[in-house]
Amino acid sequence: EVQLVESGGGLVQPGGSLRLSCAASGFTFSSYWMHWVRQDPGRGLVWVSRIQRDGSSTTYADSVKGRFTISRDNAKNTLYLQMNGLRAEDTAVYYCARETSIGGSYFSDYWGQGTLVTVSS
Amino acid sequence: DIQMTQSPSSLSASVGDRVTITCRASQGISSSLAWYQQEPGKAPKLLLYGASRLERGVPSRFSGSGSGTDYTLTISSLQPEDFATYYCQQYYSTTLTFGGGTKVEIK
Repeated sequence: EVQLVESGGGLVQPGGSLRLSCAASGFTFSSYWMHWVRQDPGRGLVWVSRIQRDGSSTTYADSVKGRFTISRDNAKNTLYLQMNGLRAEDTAVYYCARETSIGGSYFSDYWGQGTLVTVSS
Repeated sequence: DIQMTQSPSSLSASVGDRVTITCRASQGISSSLAWYQQEPGKAPKLLLYGASRLERGVPSRFSGSGSGTDYTLTISSLQPEDFATYYCQQYYSTTLTFGGGTKVEIK
């Protein structure tokens, strides 16, 4: 069974840092691109970042570029999101998601349950 | 970035109703579109990809269509478990974007 379990969320002051983790199991982690997606409380989904299978290519939303870093450890089956320079508007539930590709389509077929990040003084 | 505009933002419907949600991209996305369903407090669930391809295990009452910039999600006969929020997402560009969501509520 595919499982994605996020951890590392919590309360942090503006300007602070936090590192989120996503532990993957039930599939060959190194064979899949992975994503982070966030959801402001009571609002919609916002894509954050994406990382290639071996970590060699990453992409970010403009809102987090230069502040957040996505990475992965395929030996540990774990995805990370290092968040620096946090702002109040980064407050959200952060989900990790697996990307599957079929015939030129790529989409997130499995999601974790999310971890809440609150940025407040 | 490609902007995705969903409409309506919310709707009220009854069990058995046919429901249609639309998603418009700010530029052509060549059917590079997925639809997700999200229940309160839960993670999103994939419904369709490639604009019209049903994910395994998703009931056939869900269908998708469209091309270019305009896409639709249709629920042919709304069931109690379908009351949720629905999101479209484009994956045509390397920076992915979601629509704002459509909340389907019980009338």
